[in-house]
Amino acid sequence: SQKIEQNSEALNIQEGKTATLTCNYTNYSPAYLQWYRQDPGRGPVFLLLIRENEKEKRKERLKVTFDTTLKQSLFHITASQPADSATYLCALPGPGANNLFFGTGTRLTVIP
Amino acid sequence: KAGVTQTPRYLIKTRGQQVTLSCSPISGHRSVSWYQQTPGQGLQFLFEYFSETQRNKGNFPGRFSGRQFSNSRSEMNVSTLELGDSALYLCASSLEPSGGISYNEQFFGPGTRLTVL
Repeated sequence: SQKIEQNSEALNIQEGKTATLTCNYTNYSPAYLQWYRQDPGRGPVFLLLIRENEKEKRKERLKVTFDTTLKQSLFHITASQPADSATYLCALPGPGANNLFFGTGTRLTVIP
Repeated sequence: KAGVTQTPRYLIKTRGQQVTLSCSPISGHRSVSWYQQTPGQGLQFLFEYFSETQRNKGNFPGRFSGRQFSNSRSEMNVSTLELGDSALYLCASSLEPSGGISYNEQFFGPGTRLTVL
Protein backbone atom coordinates (compact mmCIF):
# COMPACT_ATOMS: atom_id res chain seq x y z
CA SER A 1 0.00 0.00 0.00
CA GLN A 2 0.94 3.63 -0.18
CA LYS A 3 1.95 5.74 2.84
CA ILE A 4 1.00 9.39 2.45
CA GLU A 5 2.02 12.17 4.79
CA GLN A 6 0.70 15.70 4.78
CA ASN A 7 3.10 18.10 6.43
CA SER A 8 0.95 19.41 9.19
CA GLU A 9 -2.39 18.81 10.78
CA ALA A 10 -3.23 22.49 10.89
CA LEU A 11 -2.00 25.62 9.19
CA ASN A 12 -3.01 29.19 10.02
CA ILE A 13 -2.25 32.04 7.64
CA GLN A 14 -3.25 35.66 7.18
CA GLU A 15 -5.74 36.60 4.50
CA GLY A 16 -4.02 37.56 1.27
CA LYS A 17 -0.97 35.38 1.86
CA THR A 18 -0.09 32.21 -0.03
CA ALA A 19 -0.82 28.94 1.70
CA THR A 20 1.48 26.04 0.87
CA LEU A 21 0.53 22.48 1.80
CA THR A 22 2.80 19.47 1.37
CA CYS A 23 2.03 15.88 0.49
CA ASN A 24 4.77 13.25 0.64
CA TYR A 25 4.38 9.64 -0.37
CA THR A 26 6.50 6.52 -0.15
CA ASN A 27 6.70 3.34 -2.18
CA TYR A 28 5.66 3.31 -5.80
CA SER A 29 5.17 6.40 -7.93
CA PRO A 30 1.55 6.94 -8.92
CA ALA A 31 0.33 7.80 -12.39
CA TYR A 32 -1.37 10.88 -10.95
CA LEU A 33 -2.07 12.68 -7.71
CA GLN A 34 -5.18 14.55 -6.64
CA TRP A 35 -6.10 17.25 -4.18
CA TYR A 36 -9.47 17.51 -2.48
CA ARG A 37 -11.15 20.01 -0.22
CA GLN A 38 -13.36 18.88 2.64
CA ASP A 39 -15.59 21.11 4.72
CA PRO A 40 -16.92 20.00 8.12
CA GLY A 41 -19.78 17.53 7.83
CA ARG A 42 -19.39 17.14 4.07
CA GLY A 43 -17.70 14.79 1.68
CA PRO A 44 -14.44 15.71 -0.09
CA VAL A 45 -14.69 17.79 -3.25
CA PHE A 46 -12.21 17.26 -6.06
CA LEU A 47 -10.00 20.26 -6.83
CA LEU A 48 -7.10 19.31 -9.09
CA LEU A 49 -5.39 16.32 -10.63
CA ILE A 50 -1.79 16.32 -11.78
CA ARG A 51 -0.23 13.52 -13.82
CA GLU A 52 3.26 12.13 -13.33
CA ASN A 53 4.52 13.75 -16.52
CA GLU A 54 3.27 17.20 -15.47
CA LYS A 55 5.41 19.40 -13.28
CA GLU A 56 2.77 21.99 -12.49
CA LYS A 57 -0.96 22.54 -12.83
CA ARG A 58 -2.97 25.70 -12.19
CA LYS A 59 -6.62 26.47 -11.66
CA GLU A 60 -7.55 30.02 -10.76
CA ARG A 61 -5.78 30.73 -7.42
CA LEU A 62 -4.68 27.12 -7.00
CA LYS A 63 -1.37 25.66 -8.09
CA VAL A 64 -0.12 22.12 -7.70
CA THR A 65 3.36 20.79 -8.34
CA PHE A 66 4.43 17.17 -8.58
CA ASP A 67 8.01 16.05 -8.08
CA THR A 68 8.29 12.31 -8.67
CA THR A 69 11.98 12.33 -7.69
CA LEU A 70 11.24 13.80 -4.27
CA LYS A 71 7.93 11.90 -4.12
CA GLN A 72 6.23 15.10 -3.16
CA SER A 73 3.40 17.37 -4.22
CA LEU A 74 2.95 20.97 -3.15
CA PHE A 75 -0.45 22.65 -3.14
CA HIS A 76 -0.56 26.43 -3.16
CA ILE A 77 -3.47 28.80 -2.64
CA THR A 78 -2.52 32.34 -3.59
CA ALA A 79 -4.27 35.46 -2.27
CA SER A 80 -5.95 33.28 0.35
CA GLN A 81 -9.41 34.19 1.64
CA PRO A 82 -11.32 33.16 4.78
CA ALA A 83 -13.60 31.10 2.49
CA ASP A 84 -10.58 28.91 1.69
CA SER A 85 -10.62 27.64 5.29
CA ALA A 86 -11.15 23.88 5.08
CA THR A 87 -9.29 20.60 5.29
CA TYR A 88 -7.26 19.75 2.21
CA LEU A 89 -6.49 16.16 1.34
CA CYS A 90 -4.11 14.67 -1.16
CA ALA A 91 -4.93 11.32 -2.70
CA LEU A 92 -3.11 8.79 -4.84
CA PRO A 93 -4.43 5.77 -6.69
CA GLY A 94 -3.51 2.29 -5.60
CA PRO A 95 -1.30 0.26 -7.91
CA GLY A 96 -3.57 -0.83 -10.74
CA ALA A 97 -6.56 -0.63 -8.43
CA ASN A 98 -9.59 1.58 -8.48
CA ASN A 99 -9.23 2.96 -5.02
CA LEU A 100 -7.66 6.06 -3.59
CA PHE A 101 -5.22 6.34 -0.72
CA PHE A 102 -5.78 9.57 1.15
CA GLY A 103 -3.47 11.59 3.35
CA THR A 104 -4.80 12.57 6.77
CA GLY A 105 -5.30 16.11 5.59
CA THR A 106 -4.21 19.61 6.57
CA ARG A 107 -6.75 21.87 8.20
CA LEU A 108 -6.22 25.35 6.80
CA THR A 109 -7.52 28.43 8.58
CA VAL A 110 -7.29 31.79 6.84
CA ILE A 111 -7.43 34.60 9.36
CA PRO A 112 -9.10 37.84 8.24
CA LYS B 1 -27.98 16.85 -12.10
CA ALA B 2 -28.43 15.60 -8.54
CA GLY B 3 -25.28 14.70 -6.65
CA VAL B 4 -24.48 11.55 -4.73
CA THR B 5 -27.02 10.94 -2.00
CA GLN B 6 -26.52 8.87 1.10
CA THR B 7 -29.10 7.71 3.60
CA PRO B 8 -29.44 7.96 6.46
CA ARG B 9 -27.28 10.96 7.28
CA TYR B 10 -26.99 10.08 10.95
CA LEU B 11 -27.32 6.77 12.74
CA ILE B 12 -26.87 5.61 16.32
CA LYS B 13 -26.48 1.92 17.05
CA THR B 14 -25.28 -0.21 19.93
CA ARG B 15 -22.50 -2.76 19.97
CA GLY B 16 -23.40 -6.07 18.42
CA GLN B 17 -26.09 -4.67 16.15
CA GLN B 18 -25.82 -4.50 12.40
CA VAL B 19 -26.38 -1.57 10.09
CA THR B 20 -27.08 -0.98 6.40
CA LEU B 21 -26.13 2.26 4.66
CA SER B 22 -27.37 3.30 1.27
CA CYS B 23 -25.81 5.26 -1.57
CA SER B 24 -27.40 6.54 -4.77
CA PRO B 25 -24.78 7.59 -7.32
CA ILE B 26 -25.05 10.41 -9.80
CA SER B 27 -27.29 9.43 -12.68
CA GLY B 28 -25.25 7.59 -15.31
CA HIS B 29 -22.41 6.74 -12.96
CA ARG B 30 -21.77 3.03 -12.73
CA SER B 31 -18.84 2.84 -10.30
CA VAL B 32 -19.40 3.26 -6.57
CA SER B 33 -16.70 3.26 -3.90
CA TRP B 34 -17.06 3.32 -0.13
CA TYR B 35 -14.69 4.92 2.36
CA GLN B 36 -14.51 5.12 6.13
CA GLN B 37 -13.29 8.35 7.71
CA THR B 38 -12.16 8.58 11.33
CA PRO B 39 -10.10 11.24 13.12
CA GLY B 40 -7.29 8.78 13.81
CA GLN B 41 -7.05 6.89 10.52
CA GLY B 42 -8.36 9.45 8.06
CA LEU B 43 -10.10 8.31 4.89
CA GLN B 44 -9.70 4.62 4.19
CA PHE B 45 -10.95 2.67 1.21
CA LEU B 46 -13.50 -0.03 1.97
CA PHE B 47 -14.56 -1.44 -1.41
CA GLU B 48 -15.56 -0.56 -4.94
CA TYR B 49 -18.36 -1.85 -7.12
CA PHE B 50 -18.90 -1.69 -10.85
CA SER B 51 -21.68 -3.39 -12.78
CA GLU B 52 -22.87 -5.13 -9.61
CA THR B 53 -19.44 -6.71 -9.05
CA GLN B 54 -16.98 -5.96 -6.30
CA ARG B 55 -13.73 -5.01 -8.05
CA ASN B 56 -11.60 -4.02 -5.10
CA LYS B 57 -11.62 -4.40 -1.37
CA GLY B 58 -9.64 -2.56 1.26
CA ASN B 59 -8.12 -3.96 4.39
CA PHE B 60 -11.23 -4.31 6.52
CA PRO B 61 -12.67 -7.36 8.31
CA GLY B 62 -15.38 -9.49 6.79
CA ARG B 63 -17.97 -7.77 8.98
CA PHE B 64 -17.94 -5.05 6.33
CA SER B 65 -19.72 -6.02 3.16
CA GLY B 66 -21.52 -4.36 0.32
CA ARG B 67 -23.43 -4.85 -2.85
CA GLN B 68 -24.54 -2.97 -5.91
CA PHE B 69 -27.86 -3.19 -7.66
CA SER B 70 -28.65 -3.11 -11.37
CA ASN B 71 -29.53 0.61 -11.14
CA SER B 72 -26.01 1.24 -9.70
CA ARG B 73 -27.34 2.07 -6.25
CA SER B 74 -25.17 0.53 -3.57
CA GLU B 75 -25.50 -0.56 0.02
CA MET B 76 -22.91 -1.40 2.60
CA ASN B 77 -23.53 -3.49 5.66
CA VAL B 78 -21.61 -3.74 8.90
CA SER B 79 -22.47 -6.65 11.16
CA THR B 80 -21.69 -7.11 14.84
CA LEU B 81 -20.88 -3.46 15.34
CA GLU B 82 -17.93 -2.45 17.48
CA LEU B 83 -17.21 0.89 19.15
CA GLY B 84 -14.36 1.42 16.69
CA ASP B 85 -16.80 1.35 13.77
CA SER B 86 -17.99 4.82 14.74
CA ALA B 87 -17.06 6.93 11.74
CA LEU B 88 -18.22 8.93 8.78
CA TYR B 89 -18.96 6.55 5.91
CA LEU B 90 -18.56 8.14 2.51
CA CYS B 91 -19.72 6.94 -0.83
CA ALA B 92 -18.21 8.17 -4.09
CA SER B 93 -19.39 7.59 -7.63
CA SER B 94 -17.71 7.88 -11.01
CA LEU B 95 -18.75 7.19 -14.58
CA GLU B 96 -16.33 4.31 -14.92
CA PRO B 97 -13.71 2.82 -12.62
CA SER B 98 -10.27 4.36 -12.61
CA GLY B 99 -7.22 2.16 -12.83
CA GLY B 100 -3.58 2.39 -13.82
CA ILE B 101 -3.16 5.66 -15.68
CA SER B 102 -6.86 5.95 -16.41
CA TYR B 103 -8.71 8.42 -14.26
CA ASN B 104 -12.39 9.09 -13.75
CA GLU B 105 -13.30 11.80 -11.29
CA GLN B 106 -14.98 10.56 -8.14
CA PHE B 107 -17.82 12.58 -6.67
CA PHE B 108 -18.42 12.14 -2.96
CA GLY B 109 -21.69 12.15 -1.11
CA PRO B 110 -22.21 13.94 2.23
CA GLY B 111 -21.65 10.75 4.20
CA THR B 112 -23.46 8.85 6.92
CA ARG B 113 -22.32 9.58 10.44
CA LEU B 114 -22.48 6.30 12.38
CA THR B 115 -22.16 6.33 16.15
CA VAL B 116 -21.82 3.03 17.98
CA LEU B 117 -22.59 3.11 21.70
